[in-house]
Amino acid sequence: ELKVEQNPLFLSMQEGKNYTIYCNYSTTSDRLYWYRQDPGKSLESLFVLLSNGAVKQEGRLMASLDTKARLSTLHITAAVHDLSATYFCAAALLFNNDMRFGAGTRLTVKP
Amino acid sequence: ETGVTQSPTHLIKTRGQQVTLRCSSQSGHNTVSWYQQALGQGPQFIFQYYREEENGRGNFPPRFSGLQFPNYSSELNVNALELDDSALYLCASSLGGTPGIFGPGTRLTVL
Repeated sequence: ELKVEQNPLFLSMQEGKNYTIYCNYSTTSDRLYWYRQDPGKSLESLFVLLSNGAVKQEGRLMASLDTKARLSTLHITAAVHDLSATYFCAAALLFNNDMRFGAGTRLTVKP
Repeated sequence: ETGVTQSPTHLIKTRGQQVTLRCSSQSGHNTVSWYQQALGQGPQFIFQYYREEENGRGNFPPRFSGLQFPNYSSELNVNALELDDSALYLCASSLGGTPGIFGPGTRLTVL
C-alpha cells in the first residue's frame, strides 16, 4: 500500500531563512505532487514531478524528486510571510487514480 | 475557462441524514475525483468518475456513492451520516488521470 509521510508537520521560520520539507513514500510511485493550502481554502497545485532527478522551481520554492530514495523535497529560499500556508505532497501510481496525500506541513513565516 | 465549482459551500446535517454535494468540472475536463479532508489532515481519495463511470475507489464504505453526468459534472452522495463524516469535501477535475484542478470545497458538519 502506498503511504506518504511528510516532515516536519509544523515549521516556524523567520523571513529570509531557508528550509526544506521532506516527503517520503513507501512504494514505487510514478508521480509526485506538491500542493499549497491556505486556511479554509482549497488546494493549489505547485509542482508535478514525473521522473527521477526532476527539479522544478517557481519563485522561492523548488521541488525535487529522487525515485530511488523514494524522497521528494520542497526547498524554500529566503522565506517571506506570504509563503505561510500548509504544504502537502501527494504520490500516485500509474494506472491507479488513488492519489495518497501526506499529512501536510504547516508553515509559518515570521518577520 | 470557468474553473471547478462546488455547491453548497457549507452544509449542516444531523446524524442519520443523507447529503448530496455537487461539483462542476472545468470546461473540457472529463474526469472528476472526490476527496475527503478532515480537519488538520491531508485529503483522502473517495472515488473518481471518468466518462460517467466509476474509475477507482478509495477505502470508503458503500454509503458514499456518486454519479457523473453527460456534461461531466458530478455528485457525491453520503447516506446515514456519521459524526466522523464532518470534513471538507473537495472535488477535482482533469482530462483523465489524477486531478489537475481542485474546487473550493464543501464544508460538511454533522451534528
